[in-house]
Amino acid sequence: GAVVSQHPSRVICKSGTSVKIECRSLDFQATTMFWYRQFPKQSLMLMATSNEGSKATYEQGVEKDKFLINHASLTLSTLTVTSAHPEDSSFYICSARGGLAGYTGELFFGEGSRLTVL
Amino acid sequence: AQSVTQPDIHITVSEGASLELRCNYSYGATPYLFWYVQSPGQGLQLLLKYFSGDTLVQGIKGFEAEFKRSQSSFNLRKPSVHWSDAAEYFCAVGPFEGGYQKVTFGTGTKLQVIP
Repeated sequence: GAVVSQHPSRVICKSGTSVKIECRSLDFQATTMFWYRQFPKQSLMLMATSNEGSKATYEQGVEKDKFLINHASLTLSTLTVTSAHPEDSSFYICSARGGLAGYTGELFFGEGSRLTVL
Repeated sequence: AQSVTQPDIHITVSEGASLELRCNYSYGATPYLFWYVQSPGQGLQLLLKYFSGDTLVQGIKGFEAEFKRSQSSFNLRKPSVHWSDAAEYFCAVGPFEGGYQKVTFGTGTKLQVIP
């Protein structure tokens, strides 16, 4: 299957700093990428949907100025957590799907990034 | 809006025993349904999916799921569980809306396998 890679897998930062997480589709062009947040022992909550070359669509309750999403190419999307605070500590997971003909609806997930804000 | 319910938060089975994980969905039309597995600290891996056709779907690692429209269910089954199946399992529904696919996940079922 298609491979999605996330980096870094773990990051620890100080409160007030910004952290960037990258999500790359390694062997396919991802027209749409999704960013999820997963709290301990909970399900995945969709944060935003990003399409290559356009602005991300954020879910209700997600601060777009805090969670900056950029999808500048068909193989890369980035999530930047700005002015991070301890409550932003979480497991962030990206997923991607290829577009156009043959769309099957399947999402391919990255390995996730564990953010800890001190 | 679509929703997914996984009634069982935690299930323990003996190795070699059969397994059934429950999933109920709510959606106005025929949904796209998925089961994903997540190992600790990892992303999600697709086990199987249903879009249309045969309501009994075969997946990887010996898993299968049956779509029952009358019950709005998509339960995951495996005849004989292996210790390596211990993980968290997520059922998901993903209708195709306006060119985007918003996938909604259930709360997950954590599977423990005992010797």
